[in-house]
Amino acid sequence: GAGVSQTPSNKVTEKGKYVELRCDPISGHTALYWYRQSLGQGPEFLIYFQGTGAADDSGLPNDRFFAVRPEGSVSTLKIQRTERGDSAVYLCASSLKGLAASGDEQFFGPGTRLTVL
Amino acid sequence: AQSVAQPEDQVNVAEGNPLTVKCTYSVSGNPYLFWYVQYPNRGLQFLLKYITGDNLVKGSYGFEAEFNKSQTSFHLKKPSALVSDSALYFCAVSARDTGRRALTFGSGTRLQVQP
Repeated sequence: GAGVSQTPSNKVTEKGKYVELRCDPISGHTALYWYRQSLGQGPEFLIYFQGTGAADDSGLPNDRFFAVRPEGSVSTLKIQRTERGDSAVYLCASSLKGLAASGDEQFFGPGTRLTVL
Repeated sequence: AQSVAQPEDQVNVAEGNPLTVKCTYSVSGNPYLFWYVQYPNRGLQFLLKYITGDNLVKGSYGFEAEFNKSQTSFHLKKPSALVSDSALYFCAVSARDTGRRALTFGSGTRLQVQP
């Protein structure tokens, strides 16, 4: 079956510009996560959605970062006034239930490589 | 705060030999523990997880991991390494008792299996 997909696979932008990164989770998965992976590091948590609502946005680095999931499926990560330090691979993941007690594994997409010049 | 330590940046092993990739964690209460593998230009792939119960967990591709609560460790093992196992391995933890679902990852260990 289809896995998590992310578009675009690569995005090059200039400092100060606005970007949107899209994630299509596995069909039927209620939980969706965004992570950011810098070179040589493990992924760092950004935000978690349960259905349409952001259940935990404690990982968003500042108010330039925002994410939505209006219909409980596709999600968009939005970055305003991009900075060179935002350059990284942005990973999306989904899990079936996302309930605290379930211990569901998260299934990751291939990522979007963002480069801010 | 929760954290994961993978003390080895790289592990080298000869094909056919057993391999171990080390992971220790820190979390409030009881953990959920995961291992993921990342191949070049591909996403993270789930290998195995510990939720509760038996401390020895078996996963994909012949990998297994042992949960040790007293040592707060979750080392990844395989009895006989393959060249195709060469990849980047990440250990991750989430806190079962607090309900926080975010995974905290280690910095990764590169496994190199020599033919």
